[in-house]
Amino acid sequence: EAGVVQSPRYKIIEKKQPVAFWCNPISGHNTLYWYRQNLGQGPELLIRYENEEAVDDSQLPKDRFSAERLKGVDSTLKIQPAELGDSAVYLCASSLAPGTGIQETQYFGPGTRLLVL
Amino acid sequence: GNSVTQMEGPVTLSEEAFLTINCTYTATGYPSLFWYVQYPGEGLQLLLKATKADDKGSNKGFEATYRKETTSFHLEKGSVQVSDSAVYFCALSPSTNTGNQFYFGTGTSLTVIP
Repeated sequence: EAGVVQSPRYKIIEKKQPVAFWCNPISGHNTLYWYRQNLGQGPELLIRYENEEAVDDSQLPKDRFSAERLKGVDSTLKIQPAELGDSAVYLCASSLAPGTGIQETQYFGPGTRLLVL
Repeated sequence: GNSVTQMEGPVTLSEEAFLTINCTYTATGYPSLFWYVQYPGEGLQLLLKATKADDKGSNKGFEATYRKETTSFHLEKGSVQVSDSAVYFCALSPSTNTGNQFYFGTGTSLTVIP
């Protein structure tokens, strides 16, 4: 079974430029997550989708970040314009839809390492 | 609120040494607890998990026991190998039915030397 696929793996851009990351979750996983991982830190949730609906985007900096999951499968995360502080690894994860009182395991992709110059 | 505290690294051990990485948590209700491992240049991989008190998760020689009385989920391995060198993350997911929210610790870097 294929895991979570992300592209690109690495991206170097100049500040104020736009950038987009793509994620394809594990087949059958309704829930998709975007995390940001700063150097030496754990992942921090940016946005969570249940199918095509964004159910938790409270940590997404909406002035410059946007995300979409139009058909409830793959997803795109965009930053426009990028700032120096956006340099980080952007991780995508997916899981089965959580049942009542059940917390499903999240499966992570390899991440996109972004460097903003 | 919900949070995870891990012992700070980096940790350096000789091959075949005993490993303990401490993890304590704060949560409402009865969370599920996880250990993830991140090898250089890769994403996080689930190592083991426990979903209720006194459960022991185990995988690849690693173990962790869900201790409700001490709110801990320490990771242990009896004999580490060079291939275990990685960053280890403790995480919790609250049991309240607000979705599959995960809270991660800051990670503990482990280097095993031959």
